[in-house]
Amino acid sequence: EAGVTQFPSHSVIEKGQTVTLRCDPISGHDNLYWYRRVMGKEIKFLLHFVKESKQDESGMPNNRFLAERTGGTYSTLKVQPAELEDSGVYFCASSLHMGRYTFGSGTRLTVV
Amino acid sequence: GESVGLHLPTLSVQEGDNSIINCAYSNSASDYFIWYKQESGKGPQFIIDIRSNMDKRQGQRVTVLLNKTVKHLSLQIAATQPGDSAVYFCAENRGSTLGRLYFGRGTQLTVWP
Repeated sequence: EAGVTQFPSHSVIEKGQTVTLRCDPISGHDNLYWYRRVMGKEIKFLLHFVKESKQDESGMPNNRFLAERTGGTYSTLKVQPAELEDSGVYFCASSLHMGRYTFGSGTRLTVV
Repeated sequence: GESVGLHLPTLSVQEGDNSIINCAYSNSASDYFIWYKQESGKGPQFIIDIRSNMDKRQGQRVTVLLNKTVKHLSLQIAATQPGDSAVYFCAENRGSTLGRLYFGRGTQLTVWP
């Protein structure tokens, strides 16, 4: 079975620009999660989709972050405009049932 | 070798020794715990999980111990190998928060030949 795919793997953008991260979950997984790890700190929850609906978006840091999951398949996370503190590794994970996730390899975002 | 998780984020052990990675949690509502391994450039990879109705679970070379009284979780790796070098995260699910996981800071395990 194909794993969770994220791209790009790396992105370097200037402060004020826009970046869109994409996640393709494992086919058939209704649950899709976004997490972020800022350098040296813990992995923090951003939001949870069940199919195309946002189940929990309490971890989204502010309104510069917008996540979508059109048709309940792939998901995008847009940061607009990007700030320096948005730098980190953004992970996507999916699961069939709530519990054991499969994570993607992450997108390393650097805002300069 | 042994770590105390948040207060000692690095652990160095010699190949063949046993490793113990510790994690403390604070929420008594947490009912499901998972250990993940993250290698450089990769996403967290599931190692082993345990539910709050258990206090021990064993896998291949790994054992997770859960002490609910003191809210402590540990991961024991037997006969540690160089391939075990990675960052290890504990994560907890608090029953009321659906699928959301709360992660610890992670412990960097380095295995020396």
